[in-house]
Amino acid sequence: EPEVTQTPSHQVTQMGQEVILRCVPISNHLYFYWYRQILGQKVEFLVSFYNNEISEKSEIFDDQFSVERPDGSNFTLKIRSTKLEDSAMYFCASSERFWAEQFFGPGTRLTVL
Amino acid sequence: KNEVEQSPQNLTAQEGEFITINCSYSVGISALHWLQQHPGGGIVSLFMLSSGKKKHGRLIATINIQEKHSSLHITASHPRDSAVYICAVLDGNQFYFGTGTSLTVIP
Repeated sequence: EPEVTQTPSHQVTQMGQEVILRCVPISNHLYFYWYRQILGQKVEFLVSFYNNEISEKSEIFDDQFSVERPDGSNFTLKIRSTKLEDSAMYFCASSERFWAEQFFGPGTRLTVL
Repeated sequence: KNEVEQSPQNLTAQEGEFITINCSYSVGISALHWLQQHPGGGIVSLFMLSSGKKKHGRLIATINIQEKHSSLHITASHPRDSAVYICAVLDGNQFYFGTGTSLTVIP
């Protein structure tokens, strides 16, 4: 069964460093999403992406965040200069149609020290 | 301000019990998503619905658009159903998540 994969599973970084979180969506899906979940809190929407551009982004997704589909399979989330409060689990998801049923990756736990 | 409210926050049930988890929302709605988050953190989509009722195995989801309310029912609950159940509401292009209901099913 096709699945969304994410790498790494856990990333530890120093405050101020750049990180890139990687996702491989399901191959025939066209819509991609990033979410984050701070420990003990609810899941929060970050951004949706289609046709090589951002469709929608939340207030959380400020200038330090960017997304990219560098090739036909990967979908990345870059955090330019990490802050302590960026520590969270980051989930990637994909869907066949915009906001149709989404398939989630296993998440990347980001720890900023 | 919580756009999506879930109740109860925590629920403990005996194996075999019928379980209901509720979701109320204050935003407009295009669709509502029920998700299951396993203890390890992984998220699985259970249902996406915009009206009526959907059933998959022992799971049933209903939505009442007029009352801005959805319920997730689990029949014949089993310890493997233990997880956090999350309601998420799509309002236009924004997805609003509830804080989740933590379900523990005891053998």
